[in-house]
Amino acid sequence: SQQGEEDPQALSIQEGENATMNCSYKTSINNLQWYRQNSGRGLVHLILIRSNEREKHSGRLRVTLDTSKKSSSLLITASRAADTASYFCATRLIQGAQKLVFGQGTRLTINP
Amino acid sequence: GAVVSQHPSWVICKSGTSVKIECRSLDFQATTMFWYRQFPKQSLMLMATSNEGSKATYEQGVEKDKFLINHASLTLSTLTVTSAHPEDSSFYICSARVTEAFFGQGTRLTVV
Repeated sequence: SQQGEEDPQALSIQEGENATMNCSYKTSINNLQWYRQNSGRGLVHLILIRSNEREKHSGRLRVTLDTSKKSSSLLITASRAADTASYFCATRLIQGAQKLVFGQGTRLTINP
Repeated sequence: GAVVSQHPSWVICKSGTSVKIECRSLDFQATTMFWYRQFPKQSLMLMATSNEGSKATYEQGVEKDKFLINHASLTLSTLTVTSAHPEDSSFYICSARVTEAFFGQGTRLTVV
């Protein structure tokens, strides 16, 4: 079953604006990762945040993690048309098999 | 960075035939690979964990006789969809590693 739920399911903004996507999960995690998927393609790893970290930056990406609320957010600043894609959070559980469990994803559209 | 190559990118087959999808790690050894299935506009659902030199571990509800997995070497895992039916039409993606996973390009399977 899916571990994570993301919202919104779809987001459409103007180029230059910031985009924020949220992810919630159910059980304790080792780390949480964000991936991007262009239509009909594989996934590309964006950023990983460990359970003992609260915030992480990578270029125009900012990820936060609140383990007390079991939630994470991905912020893309100064969005570009090329950022149009689906974004998924994925969690690696502390216990259990070595695998990633993906959220439902957010379809982001950046309008030029 | 590490690369995972998946082949073919797309395949159309007749109902009742079998289709083999290959997943290769090009510049690293992967004792474990993962196979996912993705329906349109939905998230990735883990089907099975492929283990080099041993049997694959299937997720609940995935028919192991339907989706045969072979991980014969440290750089190659194959997924064979046997006796394919139209409902098997989907996007299949492989990945390697759990931390900052690397994904193949995906295979679009259409069963007619």
